[in-house]
Amino acid sequence: GESVGLHLPTLSVQEGDNSIINCAYSNSASDYFIWYKQESGKGPQFIIDIRSNMDKRQGQRVTVLLNKTVKHLSLQIAATQPGDSAVYFCAGTSGSRLTFGEGTQLTVNP
Amino acid sequence: NAGVTQTPKFRILKIGQSMTLQCTQDMNHNYMYWYRQDPGMGLKLIYYSVGAGITDKGEVPNGYNVSRSTTEDFPLRLELAAPSQTSVYFCASTLGAWGYEQYFGPGTRLTVT
Repeated sequence: GESVGLHLPTLSVQEGDNSIINCAYSNSASDYFIWYKQESGKGPQFIIDIRSNMDKRQGQRVTVLLNKTVKHLSLQIAATQPGDSAVYFCAGTSGSRLTFGEGTQLTVNP
Repeated sequence: NAGVTQTPKFRILKIGQSMTLQCTQDMNHNYMYWYRQDPGMGLKLIYYSVGAGITDKGEVPNGYNVSRSTTEDFPLRLELAAPSQTSVYFCASTLGAWGYEQYFGPGTRLTVT
């Protein structure tokens, strides 16, 4: 199976700073990872994904890095804004299922 | 497209009661999933389906049942509700098993007292 965990339960940053959220996974056979954002009272929302044949993928203000050697991935958010405040989850594949980590609460201070 | 819709949004059950959480998607997705999310925690997979007529257990299936008679609908049944089933329930769907994002519904907040 897959175990996915996050290094920090909370992260507080100043508006305009860059944010880095980390995630570790246990199953070396995992080959697809997704980052989700969950705002209070809502369902998770897709941010960005990465496949195991890549080590970096960029979106709009977000970058995901994958290090298969140490089974670690990170989500970088550039110029963090108040609207980025949410819980961020990483998820990894285990067969046809995704296994979610516990989440990191990102708080953006004005 | 409405995406993934769930009903009801909120529900309070007494111990021992039963209910069905409804989930519908209009994206013609083959794969559908039910998760539960306890306060401050990640999502745990309850059941999933890879197509109409096919369902399989996830991490935490005990106390739940599902059916998938159509591509669009994936109801979750709670029999004999227990306080441990107090949670927020999310339904999700995706086009394929790998390399496709999951689209989530808005959730159903269930309290069992």
